[in-house]
Amino acid sequence: GENVEQHPSTLSVQEGDSAVIKCTYSDSASNYFPWYKQELGKRPQLIIDIRSNVGEKKDQRIAVTLNKTAKHFSLHITETQPEDSAVYFCAALSGSARQLTFGSGTQLTVLP
Amino acid sequence: KAGVTQTPRYLIKTRGQQVTLSCSPISGHRSVSWYQQTPGQGLQFLFEYFSETQRNKGNFPGRFSGRQFSNSRSEMNVSTLELGDSALYLCASSFFSEETEAFFGQGTRLTVV
Repeated sequence: GENVEQHPSTLSVQEGDSAVIKCTYSDSASNYFPWYKQELGKRPQLIIDIRSNVGEKKDQRIAVTLNKTAKHFSLHITETQPEDSAVYFCAALSGSARQLTFGSGTQLTVLP
Repeated sequence: KAGVTQTPRYLIKTRGQQVTLSCSPISGHRSVSWYQQTPGQGLQFLFEYFSETQRNKGNFPGRFSGRQFSNSRSEMNVSTLELGDSALYLCASSFFSEETEAFFGQGTRLTVV
């Protein structure tokens, strides 16, 4: 089945700096890659997603890149703010298995 | 539009008991997936239902089961509870499951004592 690895597990940045979180996946049939943000005690919420026919997608301060050949995708947050502090999960949807496989999460802390 | 609703929010059970958790998806959504979230294991896929049919199941023992009703509401059941079943159980609904956003409920926090 699909296996998603996520790095780093923790990340601290100064407010205003950029943050990058990277994920790799194993199933070449995976075709949908969402990123979720989970604040303490709250539900995961989708912040951005990318489909396999696209290499990059941007939404204000957040961008995601996908390299299908290398089977990795990354989340980029620019001009970080304290409210960006949360756990971020990447995921891959395997078209054959119809299930979202999640990475292990990254605890992002933005220091004021 | 109402979001995904899970009940109850909190539950305390003793070892050996069974428990049933409920998930009401967003109106019009036909796919419901269940996940177990623990600090050590992250988000683990349990199963996915679409139009009352279980289409996929994760790597969990048979004590974990579920079903989906004709109105797309879903329940999951855990029998013979073990201490290790303590976790946050999340359900997510989507219109389909392929390449569409999954919306999560607030989760049910299960504590087994």
